[in-house]
Amino acid sequence: GQQLNQSPQSMFIQEGEDVSMNCTSSSIFNTWLWYKQDPGEGPVLLIALYKAGELTSNGRLTAQFGITRKDSFLNISASIPSDVGIYFCAGLPEEYGNKLVFGAGTILRVKS
Amino acid sequence: NAGVMQNPRHLVRRRGQEARLRCSPMKGHSHVYWYRQLPEEGLKFMVYLQKENIIDESGMPKERFSAEFPKEGPSILRIQQVVRGDSAAYFCASSNLGPGEAFFGQGTRLTVV
Repeated sequence: GQQLNQSPQSMFIQEGEDVSMNCTSSSIFNTWLWYKQDPGEGPVLLIALYKAGELTSNGRLTAQFGITRKDSFLNISASIPSDVGIYFCAGLPEEYGNKLVFGAGTILRVKS
Repeated sequence: NAGVMQNPRHLVRRRGQEARLRCSPMKGHSHVYWYRQLPEEGLKFMVYLQKENIIDESGMPKERFSAEFPKEGPSILRIQQVVRGDSAAYFCASSNLGPGEAFFGQGTRLTVV
């Protein structure tokens, strides 16, 4: 089935730094989504991308839908302590559009 | 995601018992998705339902697992004769436009002892 490779697995950064994470796949996706999950909670949708090349911002977050439709990245600018959590990419494969496929997550830890 | 309600939040079952997980979608949403998450992992698709219909159950084990979304009432994920390997967090998501606009509930954490 479709696989999403998300990297890095974890990051430990200084408050105020910018953060970048990405997801890649060998399959084509129609939609890319980025979620954040806090401990004990469900994922919360941060950004949704629907077109190849689309660049979308949500506050300090910016995400892009790769031109090849096989990748996406998420940037967080000027990180703060509340950015701590697990970030997941998810995508709707072109072949099986019913199922969101999730990456394994990027754990973000911020030094204050 | 505040509108998707899952209960219970935590469920403990002995091996061989049945587990029933409930999901009330957001008002107006007719699409429900169930996902399973193991510690330190992403979410794995299990089943996609619309009112009274199973659309895609390809991620759900054929045995012991079943799901329904009746005309009235919440969606139910049922696990019969639970085993230790069923211990996980189970998340429900709902939408009215398909999975791209889905909102997640807070999950049910199942522990099998």
